[in-house]
Amino acid sequence: NAGVTQTPKFQVLKTGQSMTLQCAQDMNHEYMSWYRQDPGMGLRLIHYSVGAGITDQGEVPNGYNVSRSTTEDFPLRLLSAAPSQTSVYFCASSSVEGTTGELFFGEGSRLTVL
Amino acid sequence: GENVEQHPSTLSVQEGDSAVIKCTYSDSASNYFPWYKQELGKRPQLIIDIRSNVGEKKDQRIAVTLNKTAKHFSLHITETQPEDSAVYFCAASKRSGGSNYKLTFGKGTLLTVNP
Repeated sequence: NAGVTQTPKFQVLKTGQSMTLQCAQDMNHEYMSWYRQDPGMGLRLIHYSVGAGITDQGEVPNGYNVSRSTTEDFPLRLLSAAPSQTSVYFCASSSVEGTTGELFFGEGSRLTVL
Repeated sequence: GENVEQHPSTLSVQEGDSAVIKCTYSDSASNYFPWYKQELGKRPQLIIDIRSNVGEKKDQRIAVTLNKTAKHFSLHITETQPEDSAVYFCAASKRSGGSNYKLTFGKGTLLTVNP
């Protein structure tokens, strides 16, 4: 199993450009999420999904869109990139079974907005 | 929403010493408290977790304690080794079967173990 796969690993954008960060998991996890990691700020939840066709906002959703058309894929779209979106982005997935559950992270995508 | 505070932000210990990282949470309904370790340039990985019906859990050199009344939980690492050097994140969620999986993370603790 590949686990959680994110692409691209690195990206440089100019202010105003749009792009999509791809995330795919092969563990049949219902729950998928996107976090951003900034120095001194920890991991902040952007958007999450509990199944195909269901998405919801996290702590810092502004400037980002998501969709969940399949169980496996959960892309994150930046509509008009801003320097404040310079960050490391992590996609993560988890099973919804039971009352505990490990969150499996992708390797991260480092985005720089100039 | 949930707010998780984590202290200290940096911690330096000598190899073989113990390290303790503390977190507090605000939502008394939170019932699941995992800890993640992130080595430099790597992804976060779960190292231990605890549910609110348990006061303590151990796994070799790592232990987590939970005080529901005070709404705080702690990570204890004994006999630290250089490979324990990493950023550690605590987190909290109101997890129940079938709902509520959002994890709120603390801001992290950079642990450095000096040989």
